Parts: sequence; structure tokens; C-alpha cells
Amino acid sequence: AQKVTQAQTEISVVEKEDVTLDCVYETRDTTYYLFWYKQPPSGELVFLIRRNSFDEQNEISGRYSWNFQKSTSSFNFTITASQVVDSAVYFCALSEDRDDKIIFGKGTRLHILP
Amino acid sequence: KAGVTQTPRYLIKTRGQQVTLSCSPISGHRSVSWYQQTPGQGLQFLFEYFSETQRNKGNFPGRFSGRQFSNSRSEMNVSTLELGDSALYLCASSSVQGMNTEAFFGQGTRLTVV
Repeated sequence: AQKVTQAQTEISVVEKEDVTLDCVYETRDTTYYLFWYKQPPSGELVFLIRRNSFDEQNEISGRYSWNFQKSTSSFNFTITASQVVDSAVYFCALSEDRDDKIIFGKGTRLHILP
Repeated sequence: KAGVTQTPRYLIKTRGQQVTLSCSPISGHRSVSWYQQTPGQGLQFLFEYFSETQRNKGNFPGRFSGRQFSNSRSEMNVSTLELGDSALYLCASSSVQGMNTEAFFGQGTRLTVV
């Protein structure tokens, strides 16, 4: 069955520190997609990245980077030189090709302290 | 271009009543999906509509229903409201059908059942 675990419920770091948000997933499908979304206080989810199961290349986008490791079923997200505007709830999500549903982790609330 | 618009933003209803929430997707997007977000259960997928047809459904009782119009706008209806239906209801739109793609979210409708 699908499952997404974000073990870190809440993290606080001081501005300019690096922070990694963990995501571990479970799936029996060989074709699946992983996502990260950001939810600021305004409520809407903002898409950050989508990765399919055949593409294990790590990705960097500005201060954001993602580490996808199929061997450990993890898709971790790192923010480098964090800023106060990064404060939000971050969700990791999994969608299987087989049943085309999406499941979200419980989210990690990130506080960046000035 | 305009983002996903959800109305109303806030709603208070009494147990046993029914409620209709509205979602206008990004212009040109034909897929609309709905999600329920609660502190206890987190973010859960409700259903997806594409070209006026429900394509996918999460594990929610039949009290939760929806529809999509020819202009891609979607409505979600909850009948016989229960206290546990209090939640943030999020709508998302995509240009293609399916949960494996990037989605653009609205700010949600916060429903309180008293």
C-alpha cells in the first residue's frame, strides 16, 4: 500500500542555516511520482518539484535541492541558507501510476527564526 | 493569468445541513481535484474531475460528491454535515488528467460545522 512518512513534525532553525526535510515512502508500484509542496500561511499549496521513479538524479533549484534515493525509499528536501520567507508547512506526496491516486505525508512545519 | 479561485473562503454550517463549495480552475485547465485537510487526518484526496466526468475518487463516504461543468468550473457538495467535516477544503487544477502531474492549488474554503 502507499504510504508517505514525514517523521519531522516541526523544525525550527535560525535564518541562514541549512535545513533538511525528510520524506520516506512505501509503494509496490515500479512507476510512481514523488512531489514536494509548500503551504504558506495563506493556505494554498505551492508546487515545488515532481520526480518520477526512473529519474534518480538529484535536483537543485536555487537554494532548494532534492535527494532521491530509491535504495532507501527517500526523497529528502534541503533548503540552503534558509530565509524567514521559507517558513511554511512542507508536504511530500506520492502518486502511483497503477491507481492514479495521490497520498500526502502529514507535513513538516518549518520555522525560520530571524 | 488568474490562479485557482475558491469560494467562499469561510463558511459556518450547522450539523445536518448541506454545503456547496465552488472552484474555478486556471483558464485552460480541464482537470480539477479536491482535497480535505484536517489537523488529525492531514491532506486527503477526495476526487478528480476531468471533462465533466469523475475520473478518480478517494475513500470518502457518499455524502461527499462533486460535479464539473462544461467551463471546467467544479463544485463540491457535502450533505448531512457532521462535526468531523470541519476542515480546509482545497481545490487544484491541472492541464492534464491524473494525479501524476503538477497541480495548482487555490487558497481553500475553511468549513466549520457547529
